[in-house]
Amino acid sequence: DQQVKQNSPSLSVQEGRISILNCDYTNSMFDYFLWYKKYPAEGPTFLISISSIKDKNEDGRFTVFLNKSAKHLSLHIVPSQPGDSAVYFCAASARDNDMRFGAGTRLTVKP
Amino acid sequence: DVKVTQSSRYLVKRTGEKVFLECVQDMDHENMFWYRQDPGLGLRLIYFSYDVKMKEKGDIPEGYSVSREKKERFSLILESASTNQTSMYLCASSLDEQFLNYGYTFGSGTRLTVV
Repeated sequence: DQQVKQNSPSLSVQEGRISILNCDYTNSMFDYFLWYKKYPAEGPTFLISISSIKDKNEDGRFTVFLNKSAKHLSLHIVPSQPGDSAVYFCAASARDNDMRFGAGTRLTVKP
Repeated sequence: DVKVTQSSRYLVKRTGEKVFLECVQDMDHENMFWYRQDPGLGLRLIYFSYDVKMKEKGDIPEGYSVSREKKERFSLILESASTNQTSMYLCASSLDEQFLNYGYTFGSGTRLTVV
């Protein structure tokens, strides 16, 4: 039973446009949410996080939005660049550790 | 630069073999984790450890065991490998007080094929 769900396996956007990756969760005890980026043949790398006391966190081109009532979070990338093409994983944790991951969304940014 | 090193990049093993996947971190992290990554399923937690000699089951521990004799090393053991354990295995580590800023640090993964 997946507690973290990414319902879109893939997303394709044009360079310079916005990429929006979505994530839903079922466990109301989750209080930390993270996004990871993964290139082929590499481990996932941490991108951005948000705690449940916030509804938005921004880091350069990356912004994560959290809607606790809907148990939904999203990652916005503006503007998208070809180097952003990767698989993005959403993850959630009910305490400081022990994360659960979604299935991932493959983002392709076309030049 | 922090590092999590997994001993093998690719492994091919026969059904029924005992398989050891090794993971070493050089960051003095308390917490270490083993995940497997499969298409359409994402990363699923197998086992984790918050301290030396400690271990806890994740979501899919069946068919696996772990060992943490030293803080820097966390081993995943497949007692009798089966074809449904063919997967990408990822080791990770973390530090409690840095979790929200840095998350987990992952190794590059071991692609295991059981034939």
